[in-house]
Amino acid sequence: AQSVTQLDSQVPVFEEAPVELRCNYSSSVSVYLFWYVQYPNQGLQLLLKYLSGSTLVKGINGFEAEFNKSQTSFHLRKPSVHISDTAEYFCAVSPIWGSQGNLIFGKGTKLSVKP
Amino acid sequence: EPEVTQTPSHQVTQMGQEVILRCVPISNHLYFYWYRQILGQKVEFLVSFYNNEISEKSEIFDDQFSVERPDGSNFTLKIRSTKLEDSAMYFCASSALSGAARNTEAFFGQGTRLTVV
Repeated sequence: AQSVTQLDSQVPVFEEAPVELRCNYSSSVSVYLFWYVQYPNQGLQLLLKYLSGSTLVKGINGFEAEFNKSQTSFHLRKPSVHISDTAEYFCAVSPIWGSQGNLIFGKGTKLSVKP
Repeated sequence: EPEVTQTPSHQVTQMGQEVILRCVPISNHLYFYWYRQILGQKVEFLVSFYNNEISEKSEIFDDQFSVERPDGSNFTLKIRSTKLEDSAMYFCASSALSGAARNTEAFFGQGTRLTVV
């Protein structure tokens, strides 16, 4: 079985400041890792994913995440946030042998960017 | 850009009534999913569907739930007798392939907010 823990439920930050949203996972099998973003009143949009290879993954909107196998973490970072980044961010995993759509999500982190 | 569409965006139903949530996945996708998100809680996997049958389901997906692909385009989730605790946002998703294929991102619809009163 897999589980995902997002340590911060809410992260307030000022515009142009850096941000890190934390994600840890546990799994008895190898997994793919994902970050999704949910803007207000919208569905889930994929930000980035780690399948294999380089542990630093770059996604859309200037976000990146680093896979750390020893710490079972996949933290999301952005060096300078914008007001438009205000949204809820979900970390998720799926077992590699199966459909990438069988996702196990964390509880989400609400990022609030203030001017 | 192709997208997953869900209807209706919001549905209110009385407890005990049957409700059908509709989804149109991306046309060349083969895998279909339903998730739900109870207000303030995490997004939870309900069921995956491939080749006209359920490929995986969670503990949440009990006998009150069923899925169907009635034609070549729609994918539906039926709740037979709704309970108050079924109130949630229901997301449909679809993906092209599975397993080790790299470009098998799951695309999500905007969701249907179900309110059971």
